Amino acid sequence: SQQGEEDPQALSIQEGENATMNCSYKTSINNLQWYRQNSGRGLVHLILIRSNEREKHSGRLRVTLDTSKKSSSLLITASRAADTASYFCATDATGANNLFFGTGTRLTVIP
Amino acid sequence: NAGVTQTPKFQVLKTGQSMTLQCAQDMNHNSMYWYRQDPGMGLRLIYYSASEGTTDKGEVPNGYNVSRLNKREFSLRLESAAPSQTSVYFCASNDRNNSPLHFGNGTRLTVT
Repeated sequence: SQQGEEDPQALSIQEGENATMNCSYKTSINNLQWYRQNSGRGLVHLILIRSNEREKHSGRLRVTLDTSKKSSSLLITASRAADTASYFCATDATGANNLFFGTGTRLTVIP
Repeated sequence: NAGVTQTPKFQVLKTGQSMTLQCAQDMNHNSMYWYRQDPGMGLRLIYYSASEGTTDKGEVPNGYNVSRLNKREFSLRLESAAPSQTSVYFCASNDRNNSPLHFGNGTRLTVT
């Protein structure tokens, strides 16, 4: 399977702290995406990083990609209670027509 | 702007019953997808439709059929439901391969 694997499975932090989640995958990719899922809702796209990019920022989000290690990290700075959600990475293998999702990291931000 | 709309939101079936999950998008996207989400398993692709008139199997297609009715609508059918199909089903769409997906809010299905 090309499925990504997030680490840790669950993370609990205080409001204002930074949260880092990691994703590892198995095959060559064109891009890697991160999604957020609030309880009982669908996934929402956060950020896309292409295989030739090493780092990307969007607001309080910072994503890095290391294709030699087949891994990515998502950093949320100055976390807020509203950031409480599950976070998933998704990869597309070269030549594939669809995305493969990891199992997710459950982030809890304590006010 | 509704985005991706799924119906119903909840459904309980008995083993052997059939049902169709409906999905519609209003973003003029070419591609549509059906995923299932189970605890500890992440999202797994059931079927997808890269464009109107085409459908292809994903990772876990057994026990399901799909219809791309037109560009807007993509339905998922369970012909004879089994308890193993108890899951949350998500429909998604995008405008081209591997661009960001837009998801509906899911259908929570329980098969007893």
